[in-house]
Amino acid sequence: KAGVTQTPRYLIKTRGQQVTLSCSPISGHRSVSWYQQTPGQGLQFLFEYFSETQRNKGNFPGRFSGRQFSNSRSEMNVSTLELGDSALYLCASSLGQHREKLFFGSGTQLSVL
Amino acid sequence: DAKTTQPPSMDCAEGRAANLPCNHSTISGNEYVYWYRQIHSQGPQYIIHGLKNNETNEMASLIITEDRKSSTLILPHATLRDTAVYYCISSIYSGYALNFGKGTSLLVTP
Repeated sequence: KAGVTQTPRYLIKTRGQQVTLSCSPISGHRSVSWYQQTPGQGLQFLFEYFSETQRNKGNFPGRFSGRQFSNSRSEMNVSTLELGDSALYLCASSLGQHREKLFFGSGTQLSVL
Repeated sequence: DAKTTQPPSMDCAEGRAANLPCNHSTISGNEYVYWYRQIHSQGPQYIIHGLKNNETNEMASLIITEDRKSSTLILPHATLRDTAVYYCISSIYSGYALNFGKGTSLLVTP
């Protein structure tokens, strides 16, 4: 069974640009959640999508958005990039039930110059 | 929402047992304790979870105190490949997790 796939693996952007990251969940999983990981803040929850609907949202500005498609693949978009957005962006998939374990991808390392 | 407290770092000799503690004194009665680990530059990997009974799988054992205020993850025979950051999480909601914290950085030495 294929795992969670995130593309691209590495990305370099400049301030003010926008970026789109992609996440393909494990087959059959309907929930995709996104996380930002930085050395200073650790792993922080961004948002979670289930059946094409944003079901939960963390405490991030509106520049961070996402969507989920009918095949459960998800994209995350960051507009007007800032230096502080440099981070490892991780997605996780699950069936979406309470207390169910999460399966993570390897992440996209974003560098904003 | 229960928070967890873990030591920032620990060392362990290869072949010995690694015992990683976690404090979750405010955990509610129906919340599970989950352990994940993250090897450098990869996504977190699920290890084990439990409610109040001790649990064991092919990767590790989880010991939860009777009052459920703390737990210990045990890697019975640590190898160099177990060097990673270990996260103890007190709650996973429908489809996502909060409060990963900073975890414990475990270094296994030869």
